[in-house]
Amino acid sequence: DTAVSQTPKYLVTQMGNDKSIKCEQNLGHDTMYWYKQDSKKFLKIMFSYNNKELIINETVPNRFSPKSPDKAHLNLHINSLELGDSAVYFCASSRRTGGITNYGYTFGSGTRLTVV
Amino acid sequence: KQEVTQIPAALSVPEGENLVLNCSFTDSAIYNLQWFRQDPGKGLTSLLLIQSSQREQTSGRLNASLDKSSGRSTLYIAASQPGDSATYLCAVKTGFQKLVFGTGTRLLVSP
Repeated sequence: DTAVSQTPKYLVTQMGNDKSIKCEQNLGHDTMYWYKQDSKKFLKIMFSYNNKELIINETVPNRFSPKSPDKAHLNLHINSLELGDSAVYFCASSRRTGGITNYGYTFGSGTRLTVV
Repeated sequence: KQEVTQIPAALSVPEGENLVLNCSFTDSAIYNLQWFRQDPGKGLTSLLLIQSSQREQTSGRLNASLDKSSGRSTLYIAASQPGDSATYLCAVKTGFQKLVFGTGTRLLVSP
C-alpha cells in the first residue's frame, strides 16, 4: 500500500525520558512534515524537510529534533519529555516542484504521545 | 499571519440533509486549499484539493468551492449519511511549504 506510515501508534512514557517517532512514505514525495495536534484538536506545523534539508522550523523547543536520513524518512526525536508534550503527532508528505508545492498533502495516522 | 476559521464549530443533522461547511482565511495569497476529514482517534483523510486558480472541485457527494479574493471556501455535502460523521478540516497552503489548518467542524449525522 502506498502511504505515510508512522510508528509507534501509541507511546506512553514518563517525564524526563527520551523517545523517537518514526515516519516513512513510499509515495515518492520529496517533502515531509511533522504536525502537532493539541488537546483542542488544533493542528500546527512543527518542521518541514525537503530532500533531507530542513526548510521550516516553527517555534518548537530544541528538545525536539527531526532527522531525515533520506527523503522517504523523517523521524522525530524528543529529549527530556514534559507533560505538555502530550499530544498527537502527525507526519505528512507532499511533492514540491519549481520551489512550490501545488500538490496535496498525505498524512499518516498519527502517534498519540502521553507523558505521565 | 494566515489565520483559518471554520464555521460552525459543530453541526448535528438528520440523515439525508444537504449541508454546507464554511472555511475562511485572512490572507488570500494561497497556493491551494485542501479539505480533510478526521475520524475520532484516526489520521487525516484528504477529501478535495482546490488549486488557487480553480473555483471548485467535486468528488462524489462532495463539492468544494473556493473564492480566493474573499478568502472563503465551502464544502457542500449532499444527502448526508451517518458515515459522514467526523471532524472536517480545511487547510490553506501558504509560502514556504506551510499548510495552515482551520479550527475544524465536528459533524454528526444521525440516522
